[in-house]
Amino acid sequence: ELKVEQNPLFLSMQEGKNYTIYCNYSTTSDRLYWYRQDPGKSLESLFVLLSNGAVKQEGRLMASLDTKARLSTLHITAAVHDLSATYFCAAGGSRLTFGEGTQLTVNP
Amino acid sequence: SAVISQKPSRDICQRGTSLTIQCQVDSQVTMMFWYRQQPGQSLTLIATANQGSEATYESGFVIDKFPISRPNLTFSTLTVSNMSPEDSSIYLCSVNRDPQETQYFGPGTRLLVL
Repeated sequence: ELKVEQNPLFLSMQEGKNYTIYCNYSTTSDRLYWYRQDPGKSLESLFVLLSNGAVKQEGRLMASLDTKARLSTLHITAAVHDLSATYFCAAGGSRLTFGEGTQLTVNP
Repeated sequence: SAVISQKPSRDICQRGTSLTIQCQVDSQVTMMFWYRQQPGQSLTLIATANQGSEATYESGFVIDKFPISRPNLTFSTLTVSNMSPEDSSIYLCSVNRDPQETQYFGPGTRLLVL
């Protein structure tokens, strides 16, 4: 059974700082996804990582995948308040298993 | 990207009743998925809806409680039957059109059972 663990679950950052969210998964996975969820909203797709060593960047967010370590990271560079949200990673092929989510708060 | 709509967007229901949630996609897809997000929690896959065959349910979810229809390649329904307050959740449908693409989620149906 695929299990996905994220850490930290809660993250309070200052604007301008850098931080990394970690996502570990227990068994081989075809793909690794990162999503953002704002309060009361659905999921917004950020990245899908398809192979070992994959790195994708969009604005202040960069995601990477190490399939040998079964680890993905979401790195936040120079955080701004607009990044405050809950971030989920999910692993699997088409049937996704989600991590618990990381609730990120960026403080001025 | 895929455009997914869901109806209703929210509802308040009495225990013991049933609610049917509709999911419409703007293009044909082979598989549609139904997820549940309980308050303050992550998402859990309920079932995979395949056109022309029975839905495939995940462990802990049964057809009697969550019957699913998939009459064509752009539409699916999920029914939450004999509801109890524990069914209060957001129900989301999802599609994955291409293995190289992300999986897209609908806006969700927010259900409160009293």
